[in-house]
Amino acid sequence: KAGVTQTPRYLIKTRGQQVTLSCSPISGHRSVSWYQQTPGQGLQFLFEYFSETQRNKGNFPGRFSGRQFSNSRSEMNVSTLELGDSALYLCASNLGGLTSYEQYFGPGTRLTVT
Amino acid sequence: AQTVTQSQPEMSVQEAETVTLSCTYDTSESNYYLFWYKQPPSRQMILVIRQEAYKQQNATENRFSVNFQKAAKSFSLKISDSQLGDTAMYFCAFMAHPFYNTDKLIFGTGTRLQVFP
Repeated sequence: KAGVTQTPRYLIKTRGQQVTLSCSPISGHRSVSWYQQTPGQGLQFLFEYFSETQRNKGNFPGRFSGRQFSNSRSEMNVSTLELGDSALYLCASNLGGLTSYEQYFGPGTRLTVT
Repeated sequence: AQTVTQSQPEMSVQEAETVTLSCTYDTSESNYYLFWYKQPPSRQMILVIRQEAYKQQNATENRFSVNFQKAAKSFSLKISDSQLGDTAMYFCAFMAHPFYNTDKLIFGTGTRLQVFP
């Protein structure tokens, strides 16, 4: 089975622009979570989706949004980029369900905002 | 709210020696999972070991083992026979049981482990 894939791997954007990151989970996985990793704040939970529904959202401004499609692929969008949005964005997938707890991470998207 | 604390920002160990990384957590829930993840310079997050809170037996995966003290809310990772490839950032993470309708991981701040030849 292919692992979790994230595209693009690297991205450079300018302040004020918007960006869309994509995550394709492992085949059969229905749950996708997103995390932001920065040197200052560490790993912070952004949001999670299960069967196209957002289940939980972290403490991030409304500029951060996401969605999940019927094939479980997920996208996150950041509008009006700020310098502080520069980070490694990780997504993780798992089967979803009461017996599923092991999360598999993608390689991340490195976003640089200039 | 749950919290995870890793009090050792950096540690070093000589190859073939044993090292223990510390982690404490706080939660009011009784059913949950604890994990240790490894993040090498490639930034790929790799699951090292997991522990179900309802299991009293400590988890073991080859050279990696944990000391899970539920009452003390402590979850340390022991790496035996350290290898150069163990050099990485190690994160302790908490996840409530899925019946709480979440897969959210709460991470500690990490411990940077350097293995020296």
